[in-house]
Amino acid sequence: IVLTQSPGTLSLSPGERATLSCRASLSIGGAYLAWYQLKPGQAPRLLIYGTSSRATGIPDRFSGSGSGTDFTLTISRLEAEDFAVYYCHHYGTSPPERLTFGGGTKVEIK
Amino acid sequence: EEQLVESGGGLVKPGGSLRLSCAASGFPLSPYTMNWIRQAPGKGLEWVSSISGSSGYIYYADSVSGRFTISRDNAQNSLFLQMDSLRAEDTAVYYCARDPSYFGVFAPDRWGQGTLVTVSS
Repeated sequence: IVLTQSPGTLSLSPGERATLSCRASLSIGGAYLAWYQLKPGQAPRLLIYGTSSRATGIPDRFSGSGSGTDFTLTISRLEAEDFAVYYCHHYGTSPPERLTFGGGTKVEIK
Repeated sequence: EEQLVESGGGLVKPGGSLRLSCAASGFPLSPYTMNWIRQAPGKGLEWVSSISGSSGYIYYADSVSGRFTISRDNAQNSLFLQMDSLRAEDTAVYYCARDPSYFGVFAPDRWGQGTLVTVSS
């Protein structure tokens, strides 16, 4: 399964809404789609698992949706600490599909 | 506080070896499948290897199969990655990541900050 994220870069201002897309090459179960936030020098942070469940401690401005092959991460109002790179992830159970990641979307300050 | 801390990265020549370690604290490692995931400079995340809680199953990405060996010591709450026959394309930040699928969450939920491996002559 190949995960394709779009756009590659999103230039937005604080307070704006961010909509990130992840498209899978095959239909996947909603339980197996997650989103991560990466910042340089920091541990990757799980934001959303099971398509729409927020991980512990994740603020409610982050939400996930989708099904089948099309999934979305929405940040309702961007805050300064949200400017980062975001990856979608498919959890597979055996190689070669063990754990697959999209190419990432960078959310940068406009 | 639950934490994963990687160590053992560094500069190594092509063909050389390194052994990465990942120390877990704040939780017992034994129930969890554990993973190594890497990020090459300017690239995305790439899964490297997985090992189940009892070491009963072990998986490798094709790119490292036959060169890397994953292992764990639950008594020491530690995960390891022995990397042999290293290549320039193995240059990356290597993360260990906890897999909570046993508890019904299908996504690695706790990651370390990573350790940098540079393969260069």
